[in-house]
Amino acid sequence: DAEITQSPRHKITETGRQVTLACHQTWNHNNMFWYRQDLGHGLRLIHYSYGVQDTNKGEVSDGYSVSRSNTEDLPLTLESAASSQTSVYFCASSPGSETQYFGPGTRLLVL
Amino acid sequence: DQQVKQNSPSLSVQEGRISILNCDYTNSMFDYFLWYKKYPAEGPTFLISISSIKDKNEDGRFTVFLNKSAKHLSLHIVPSQPGDSAVYFCAASDASNDYKLSFGAGTTVTVRA
Repeated sequence: DAEITQSPRHKITETGRQVTLACHQTWNHNNMFWYRQDLGHGLRLIHYSYGVQDTNKGEVSDGYSVSRSNTEDLPLTLESAASSQTSVYFCASSPGSETQYFGPGTRLLVL
Repeated sequence: DQQVKQNSPSLSVQEGRISILNCDYTNSMFDYFLWYKKYPAEGPTFLISISSIKDKNEDGRFTVFLNKSAKHLSLHIVPSQPGDSAVYFCAASDASNDYKLSFGAGTTVTVRA
């Protein structure tokens, strides 16, 4: 079955370290998105991509970057992790419609 | 500034009764609305959606109502079941903004036996 996966599911890191969160989907969707979920804020868009080599900033992109070298993957990199980036991160994909399909999430703790 | 607001952080309802979740939005360009359901330690899953050309969409126990003039939508769950206990997110999309979704903060629903 086609799916979307995220790894790792849990990560503990120290401030200042570079961290990369993986997202892989097998639906062959062109659109992929990264969100963070924080209490009281719902899901906020970090970065998104509409195809290979295409990346765009969302509303909370500072301190994050993404790259899209193939259709299946959109890794999210925290260049220098900060305690404010402690959160739950969700990757999503869509086939070009409004409906997005989410991965299981990565819980990140920055100490 | 949050464009989609869910003003009730939590809702408790007895099994078998109706759950009503509310969502307000401020952006008049939004033309498509979705509800997602999220269990702990899982990703959100799509539940139901409605286009701005409709005022009601029904799928089994779930019905979404849209009032464009009031910029308000609601999700009705009838009858509520224990498996409906979850966090529900309202989301909105603007077709001119390339399918990006704006989410509300979520409402935690607890269905009591």
